[in-house]
Amino acid sequence: DARVTQTPRHKVTEMGQEVTMRCQPILGHNTVFWYRQTMMQGLELLAYFRNRAPLDDSGMPKDRFSAEMPDATLATLKIQPSEPRDSAVYFCARSSEDTEAFFGQGTRLTVV
Amino acid sequence: SQQGEEDPQALSIQEGENATMNCSYKTSINNLQWYRQNSGRGLVHLILIRSNEREKHSGRLRVTLDTSKKSSSLLITASRAADTASYFCATVTQGGSEKLVFGKGTKLTVNP
Repeated sequence: DARVTQTPRHKVTEMGQEVTMRCQPILGHNTVFWYRQTMMQGLELLAYFRNRAPLDDSGMPKDRFSAEMPDATLATLKIQPSEPRDSAVYFCARSSEDTEAFFGQGTRLTVV
Repeated sequence: SQQGEEDPQALSIQEGENATMNCSYKTSINNLQWYRQNSGRGLVHLILIRSNEREKHSGRLRVTLDTSKKSSSLLITASRAADTASYFCATVTQGGSEKLVFGKGTKLTVNP
């Protein structure tokens, strides 16, 4: 089963609130990516992990965003405090070395 | 930052015609991947082509890779209305980092 499950699917929140997005990856796929998709910027790579260790989070505004893998089955992306410009669709994806990535259905975030 | 750039940004064709999308990238790659995204959904992997390969086929899809020109093309033959979607190329840069970076995509519309 190659599904990647993201929760919540939709989130509307007020500016300044904390937002946590979850991704439940596939065991055996040891690279996890977080992307943000907007009309203007397309798919931006925010951060990625290999074997639960962060490899690159240079795409992420670190003052407000944090990405973690508390265990091998769960990846989280937190925004605190959220801002209207964070409104976007956030995707996680998992892959193994030199193979394709499996994407979740995304979390559509609206910050008002 | 985007590594790949797709061309054209939008393509509209009639059912039964072939659709060709191009992708150019900047740095040496381990592999190049094509994905499809239906509106509001996650990305679905189509084909992965490695740097030592020149062409791959999957059903009605044909992907070519020219590493000397740093470009790839995706050909969809005998298109169907159900092929309407956005198509993205993504690259894994040489160097073993597994970083998967996407272009901005080509929006394909197949008219019945």
